Amino acid sequence: AQTVTQSQPEMSVQEAETVTLSCTYDTSESDYYLFWYKQPPSRQMILVIRQEAYKQQNATENRFSVNFQKAAKSFSLKISDSQLGDAAMYFCAYRSGRRNAGGTSYGKLTFGQGTILTVHP
Amino acid sequence: GAVVSQHPSRVICKSGTSVKIECRSLDFQATTMFWYRQFPKKSLMLMATSNEGSKATYEQGVEKDKFLINHASLTLSTLTVTSAHPEDSSFYICSARSRQNYNSPLHFGNGTRLTVT
Repeated sequence: AQTVTQSQPEMSVQEAETVTLSCTYDTSESDYYLFWYKQPPSRQMILVIRQEAYKQQNATENRFSVNFQKAAKSFSLKISDSQLGDAAMYFCAYRSGRRNAGGTSYGKLTFGQGTILTVHP
Repeated sequence: GAVVSQHPSRVICKSGTSVKIECRSLDFQATTMFWYRQFPKKSLMLMATSNEGSKATYEQGVEKDKFLINHASLTLSTLTVTSAHPEDSSFYICSARSRQNYNSPLHFGNGTRLTVT
């Protein structure tokens, strides 16, 4: 079974500064996807960024970028120029790329414990 | 973008009653829907996977008779918490996988906060 670990329960950053959230995972699969989700106080799940394991290039989305180290099974999220609206709980998530028989559970996400990010003005 | 509607957003019920939560994909067909449970400031824990037209697959430790899941159509899955007790109070979130875009990220509903008194 796959596991996802976020070792930072809480992080804080000053507005306009950069912060990095850590995530490690364990899997025996070679084909998978990794995600970072943001959950603000409204508790809506918002996709921040996605990385396909077969891609060596790190994904970027505006101020958000990842450092994907496949051999080390590490997938950290860097938020540059932090804004007050970035304050939220962030979850790292894993999804298998392998479709099981009938594809009945394909797409299932395994989440890390989450990191609460506070942004100070 | 793909939208998943989850209803109700909040519900308060008395102990011993049953509560139904609906998860609808509004502009796409969802072959598979996932139901998660989340305690305050905790992670999302997968409860079960529902596939249209077949029985749901429950995660270990989840009581299937307590949490009834029905996925009768490609756009609707329901979670019924039967004989609810205060320990069932939690935040429940559904997510859906698009039939058309198999590899696209999951689309999440906005969640249901259940309080059992």
